[in-house]
Amino acid sequence: KNEVEQSPQNLTAQEGEFITINCSYSVGISALHWLQQHPGGGIVSLFMLSSGKKKHGRLIATINIQEKHSSLHITASHPRDSAVYICAVESNFGNEKLTFGTGTRLTIIP
Amino acid sequence: DAGITQSPRHKVTETGTPVTLRCHQTENHRYMYWYRQDPGHGLRLIHYSYGVKDTDKGEVSDGYSVSRSKTEDFLLTLESATSSQTSVYFCAITKSGNEQFFGPGTRLTVL
Repeated sequence: KNEVEQSPQNLTAQEGEFITINCSYSVGISALHWLQQHPGGGIVSLFMLSSGKKKHGRLIATINIQEKHSSLHITASHPRDSAVYICAVESNFGNEKLTFGTGTRLTIIP
Repeated sequence: DAGITQSPRHKVTETGTPVTLRCHQTENHRYMYWYRQDPGHGLRLIHYSYGVKDTDKGEVSDGYSVSRSKTEDFLLTLESATSSQTSVYFCAITKSGNEQFFGPGTRLTVL
C-alpha cells in the first residue's frame, strides 16, 4: 500500500465547477504539500500546510491531521487549471524528504 | 523563480554509456534532491544532499551516483545507462520553511 493515496486519479469537469481532489496518507507527518504540474511542464509548489486551511486565489487546501487526510479545492474552475495535482507528505523525522502521491489529472472543459 | 536550472534538458543515449545530469542553483540553499518521474509512479527520490560532500541515498538509488563539490551544483551520474532509467529527472531544492522548488526537468531516453 502506498503511503500517499490520491483520489480520483483522473477528473474531468466543466468550466466553472467546484473541484475537490483528495489525499490520504498513512504515516506521521510534519507537513503536507500540494504541487501542480502542467502538461510537459515543470512542477510548482501550491501549498505547504501542517494544520487547518490555506487559501490562495481560487485554490483552497485543507488538512485533518487526526484523519490523515487533505483536500485541494478549486472554485470557479477554468481550463487553465487543467494540470496534474500532486500531494506529497513530509515525514516527521526531520530530514525534509517528501513522499509523493501519483497525482490527479484534472481536465477542465470550456 | 527559485533559480534552478538543469542541463541538458533532453538527452538520448545508448545502453551502457555513462550519463551525467547537472542541477545548478543560484541561491546557496543547503538541501538539494534528485527525483525521477515515471508514469504510474509518484516522484521518487534517487539521492539527496544536505551540504557540500554530504549526500545520501533515496528509495531508488541503485544505478545512480551523485556528487556535490560546490553548494550550487548537484550532479547525478548514471554510470552505465539502462533502458529502465529512461525517465524524466527533476532536481529540487528546499528553501526556508521546507517548501520545495523544482527545476524544469531533464527528459532522458536510453535506447
